[in-house]
Amino acid sequence: GENVEQHPSTLSVQEGDSAVIKCTYSDSASNYFPWYKQELGKRPQLIIDIRSNVGEKKDQRIAVTLNKTAKHFSLHITETQPEDSAVYFCAASISSSNTGKLIFGQGTTLQVKP
Amino acid sequence: GAVVSQHPSRVICKSGTSVKIECRSLDFQATTMFWYRQFPKKSLMLMATSNEGSKATYEQGVEKDKFLINHASLTLSTLTVTSAHPEDSSFYICSAPRRGGQETQYFGPGTRLLVL
Repeated sequence: GENVEQHPSTLSVQEGDSAVIKCTYSDSASNYFPWYKQELGKRPQLIIDIRSNVGEKKDQRIAVTLNKTAKHFSLHITETQPEDSAVYFCAASISSSNTGKLIFGQGTTLQVKP
Repeated sequence: GAVVSQHPSRVICKSGTSVKIECRSLDFQATTMFWYRQFPKKSLMLMATSNEGSKATYEQGVEKDKFLINHASLTLSTLTVTSAHPEDSSFYICSAPRRGGQETQYFGPGTRLLVL
C-alpha cells in the first residue's frame, strides 16, 4: 500500500522567512496530494492541493510543487506569520479509485517566531 | 466549504463500555466516509472506509468487531467502540469527500475519547 514520508518533523522560522516541508510517496498510482493545517485540538483544514496533471500550484503565500518522477511533493510558505504556526500534514491518494482514501505523512510542527 | 459534524465532541467512559460516535455531512451527500484515529502529537491513521449501504472496509490491523461502523444513510456514518479500554483513548476524526471518493475531503471536528 501507499506510504508517505514527511520531513522535517519540526521547523522553526523567523517571521517573514520562508518555510518548506517535503513529502515523498511510494505508490506511483497516487494522483492527488492535499496539504492540511491542524491547530491543537482542532480538525485538519485543507490549505492547498495538487493533482498529478500539474507540477505546481500557488495560492497567495502558499505553493505546492510535485515531481511525479521522483515521487515527491513540497509545501512552500512565504512571508510566514505567527498565525501560520501549526502542524502541517501532507497526504496522498488515488482519486480515480472508488475509495479515494488519504494516507498521511507524519506531520511537521511549524513554529513561526515573531 | 463543505461542513462535516461529529457528535459528541468529548466523551469519558468506563472501561468495558461501548461508545458511539456520529459523523454527519450537513450540506452534501457522502456515499463514502472515512474514520481516522489520532494519538497525541501523532499523525492521522486511517482506520476504515465507511460505505453507504454496504460493509465498511477496514485497514490492516484494525479490529472490525471492536470498531463497528454503520453507514445507514447518505449523510450519517457511526463508529462504535465496543468494550472500550484505556488504550482506545484517542482523538477520532471522520472525513467525507463531497462526491464518492474522488473529491476533496472535509473533516469533522473530531471526538476526544477518554476511557478510564
